Amino acid sequence: QQQVRQSPQSLTVWEGETAILNCSYEDSTFDYFPWYHQFPGESPALLIAIRPVSNKKEDGRFTIFFNKREKKFSLHIADSQPGDSATYFCAASGDQGKLIFGQGTKLSIKP
Amino acid sequence: GPKVLQIPSHQIIDMGQMVTLNCDPVSNHLYFYWYKQILGQQMEFLVNFYNGKVMEKSKLFKDQFSVERPDGSYFTLKIQPTALEDSAVYFCASSSLGSNTGQLYFGEGSKLTVL
Repeated sequence: QQQVRQSPQSLTVWEGETAILNCSYEDSTFDYFPWYHQFPGESPALLIAIRPVSNKKEDGRFTIFFNKREKKFSLHIADSQPGDSATYFCAASGDQGKLIFGQGTKLSIKP
Repeated sequence: GPKVLQIPSHQIIDMGQMVTLNCDPVSNHLYFYWYKQILGQQMEFLVNFYNGKVMEKSKLFKDQFSVERPDGSYFTLKIQPTALEDSAVYFCASSSLGSNTGQLYFGEGSKLTVL
């Protein structure tokens, strides 16, 4: 019940295209959904986050779409750049105080 | 931005030995976490810590694991004795509020290799 599922495991898109990363969860008490990105050899860093009161959150080229009824959320990266190449983790948290991560999506942007 | 420091960055030890991983969290943060990551895979929650106590621990937090933060110094993860399957990168994180309220800041990880 505490799992967060993420897909695809890896994704390659051309520079300028929109990359779409997907996540789903089971625990209806989760109320905070961040996306982190991690470059090789570095620590994960927060990219963008959303709460269930909203179904969309934008920050520049990054947009989270949230579907509370289906317990799904996705990250859209518009106008993908080679510098966006990294591993992206979705996550979810509730009032229990722990952040549960998805399995990660390794994103590669081809120039 | 705020920095979480982890020491050591890499440690190699023999199976059965004890290891202590140290974390210097962001100043004034109150919540502390340890995560385990194997080969760039999923970040797996181990334990969170607040007000001097473990709040919650996962099934991965075996009896051989312990955490403490004596007198506001380093937040430590101790493994005694270590096993081969403990080889991983351990990430410490801290936050000013709970993880469903505020951002977690991660350190750069301590890579543990158990031989």
